[in-house]
Amino acid sequence: DAGITQSPRYKITETGRQVTLMCHQTWSHSYMFWYRQDLGHGLRLIYYSAAADITDKGEVPDGYVVSRSKTENFPLTLESATRSQTSVYFCATKPTGGRGEQYFGPGTRLTVT
Amino acid sequence: AQSVTQLGSHVSVSEGALVLLRCNYSSSVPPYLFWYVQYPNQGLQLLLKYTTGATLVKGINGFEAEFKKSETSFHLTKPSAHMSDAAEYFCAVTPNQAGTALIFGKGTTLSVSS
Repeated sequence: DAGITQSPRYKITETGRQVTLMCHQTWSHSYMFWYRQDLGHGLRLIYYSAAADITDKGEVPDGYVVSRSKTENFPLTLESATRSQTSVYFCATKPTGGRGEQYFGPGTRLTVT
Repeated sequence: AQSVTQLGSHVSVSEGALVLLRCNYSSSVPPYLFWYVQYPNQGLQLLLKYTTGATLVKGINGFEAEFKKSETSFHLTKPSAHMSDAAEYFCAVTPNQAGTALIFGKGTTLSVSS
């Protein structure tokens, strides 16, 4: 049971290209989150989802699109990648009724050239 | 608005020494507080959490933290550092409401020397 998987783990893309980062969970947790991690900024929330077909913006949503047609998947799309989106991206989940703790995937390191 | 401040971006200790990582928070409502650890090239792993009840909470790997409401602090300690404790540590806060995302501090890198 893998819990949360993210793919790809590493990605290099060019400026202007569209790229999708995948997140899959096997726990059926209601909530899913996307964060980006940058030196000096810690982790910042991009988007989150409370359930299938329910998404909302976080602190830094510009340039990103999400969807959640199935409970277990929460893809993050960069519609036109920019160098400022070079980062490590983490997906996380949280069960309904939990005490706030989130469970993190292994991350995707994205480089935009 | 909630925020988290971690004092010291880098802390160095000797093996066997006390580890103290500082975290202060601001919140308009009683918070839930968390410490996460991140080893190189890995995701974040929950160390411990405070929600309600006892203010001294124990976590994995011998770490503990004390919630001090009067000081708005949630410092992380371990009596005796081990080489394997070298990692980045994040303090996080969320109001005690379902679904709200975590607000993270900027992290503290712990180095342990022999």
